[in-house]
Amino acid sequence: QSALTQPASVSGSPGQSITISCTGTSSDIGAYNYVSWYQQHPGKAPKLMISAVTNRPSGVSNRFSGSKSGNTASLTISGLQAEDEADYYCASYSKGGNFDVFGTGTKVTVL
Amino acid sequence: EVQLMESGGGLVQPGGSLRLSCAASGFPFSNYWMTWVRQAPGKGLEWVAHVKPDGSDKYYVDSVRGRFTISRDNAKDSLYLQMNSLRAEDTAVYYCARDDGWYAFHIWGQGTMVSVSS
Repeated sequence: QSALTQPASVSGSPGQSITISCTGTSSDIGAYNYVSWYQQHPGKAPKLMISAVTNRPSGVSNRFSGSKSGNTASLTISGLQAEDEADYYCASYSKGGNFDVFGTGTKVTVL
Repeated sequence: EVQLMESGGGLVQPGGSLRLSCAASGFPFSNYWMTWVRQAPGKGLEWVAHVKPDGSDKYYVDSVRGRFTISRDNAKDSLYLQMNSLRAEDTAVYYCARDDGWYAFHIWGQGTMVSVSS
């Protein structure tokens, strides 16, 4: 089972919007609306930011939004802030027995 | 407060065994699917194993199937990961997490480090 593909890094200036892509296959992202996104600061546990492609858990800023088209999911962060600098991982349910697969991770840098 | 707390990590020689525990509190543990996720030093997240609320169904990533066993004791609000035949590539921080539906992990523990080395 291969990891989902994400860009290694994305950067933006405060106040800008950035989008992180997550590319899978017709067996995971393309087959189900079970894409989630996690934020991880150094030395900390991951934090759920988006579930089921577009759902934002209580307490997560509405600056974070998710979408999906075909085999690719995306996370958009609008109004970029210094505190958004972190690693971001996508994940998707995957048929075929391995249950869940994570993306390769994207480091977001706020310039 | 909803909380997960892992324990049991440490240094073990290749071929050895280790049992991780995850204590849950603040929510009805027996209602939720639970999972283990690991992260090798400087690397990304990797889903390891998942268990149904009643413990009857279990799923594993290919690289640990046959060596690791996920289990739970709902009476003790605890999740476990028995790791046998450990390899250097199993070195990682191991997190337990709660599946809140849609295969999304909303609650995470702080992680426990497992190092496999001679």
